[in-house]
Amino acid sequence: QVQLVQSGAEVKKPGASVKVSCKASGYTFTSYGISWVRQAPGQGLEWMGWISAYNGNTNYAQKLQGRVTMTTDTSTSTAYMELRSLRSDDTAVYYCARGQWELLYFDYWGQGTLVTVSS
Amino acid sequence: DIVMTQSPDSLAVSLGERATINCKSSQSVLYSSNNKNYLAWYQQKPGQPPKLLIYWASTRESGVPDRFSGSGSGTDFTLTISSLQAEDVAVYYCQQYYSTPPKCSFGQGTKLEIK
Repeated sequence: QVQLVQSGAEVKKPGASVKVSCKASGYTFTSYGISWVRQAPGQGLEWMGWISAYNGNTNYAQKLQGRVTMTTDTSTSTAYMELRSLRSDDTAVYYCARGQWELLYFDYWGQGTLVTVSS
Repeated sequence: DIVMTQSPDSLAVSLGERATINCKSSQSVLYSSNNKNYLAWYQQKPGQPPKLLIYWASTRESGVPDRFSGSGSGTDFTLTISSLQAEDVAVYYCQQYYSTPPKCSFGQGTKLEIK
């Protein structure tokens, strides 16, 4: 069965970086893309960006350009999202989600990773 | 960027009654070359990731009960729950995925409760 398993919760100080992983199983990793979506406490869903697991192409949300990097390791079927220069308003649950090729509707989601940014 | 606006923000419906959630996009998400609307609906319960209900505006995801249906085209869309069940209490989001290079955006969410 398809699974996306994310790394555990993180607590970071303002200005630091965080790298969240998303390990995929149960499907051909390179046939799909991975998007990252975050949700601040009590708020809605915010798309952060997309990476093709096939060729590594990326597209990031404009507001995060320069602070976010998404990568994949096809040998381990794992996607990564690194966010730098963390601020308090980056506190959120971060989800990875699978979409077919370049279609960004998401049929499987990771369980979420809480990132808390606090001094 | 395409902005998605849902209405209402919250909704209370009696068990067994119909629930209707609306979603409007700031520009058309209908791709003329394939006549598909790039619009999806999700359900999110507390402490859980979102669950895909509907894609291509009206295609039900496998395993989703048939009381959930999606309709609309262009800029105006509707999610209908024909007979509300207790387990349908959740926040519902619409999402457009009409963009190249790939990007998407979500509505602000509609909280559905039991009256």
